[in-house]
Amino acid sequence: QVQLKESGPGLVQPSQTLSLTCTVSGFSLTSYNVHWVRQPPGKGLEWMGRMRYNGDTSYNSALKSRLSISRDTSKNQVFLKMNSLQTDDTGTYYCTRDSYGLFHYWGQGVMVTVSS
Amino acid sequence: DTVLTQSPALAVSPGERVSISCRASEGVNSYMHWYQQKPGQQPKLLIYKASNLASGVPARFSGSGSGTDFTLTIDPVEADDTATYFCQQSWNDPPTFGGGTKLELK
Repeated sequence: QVQLKESGPGLVQPSQTLSLTCTVSGFSLTSYNVHWVRQPPGKGLEWMGRMRYNGDTSYNSALKSRLSISRDTSKNQVFLKMNSLQTDDTGTYYCTRDSYGLFHYWGQGVMVTVSS
Repeated sequence: DTVLTQSPALAVSPGERVSISCRASEGVNSYMHWYQQKPGQQPKLLIYKASNLASGVPARFSGSGSGTDFTLTIDPVEADDTATYFCQQSWNDPPTFGGGTKLELK
């Protein structure tokens, strides 16, 4: 079955770089887009960016200067790197699979705290 | 980017009918989707393309609308429906989410 699982450090210091991995199973990264979505504590969902099935990427314009999404299809992994982290980057980070623009499958999320 | 506006919170009694609205800043055709999120969980797809029930979702949930105004209806509401509900559009790029409506039961 389709599964996505996020992994990465739970604590990141301010001004440092966040690195997250989304490991997928049950589908091919060359057939579906995978997106990153984040959620500050008690707040709404923010689309961050996507890795398209063909390897193209798109980013939220508000994060574009700090964000990079890449993948390793041989390992079924999509990566997120975001630099210059601040406290308002604290939240739960999700990866999710796109089917015709809707997000049917989500990872369980990884909580990231930005603090010294 | 397309801004989706939802009312922040609603409170209803079990057995009642509730409608949750989502207004888009520009037309999204019928490409509006609804998610339910319970505390500590990832979002769950309820309705796709405005009015289509996702697999396994109870028929108490329904969706309607097109263009800029959309509604998620739950009838009748059950205690287990306590959650935050988000709309999301995929007609315009980038995809965007509403701020969420927190549904509480009286």
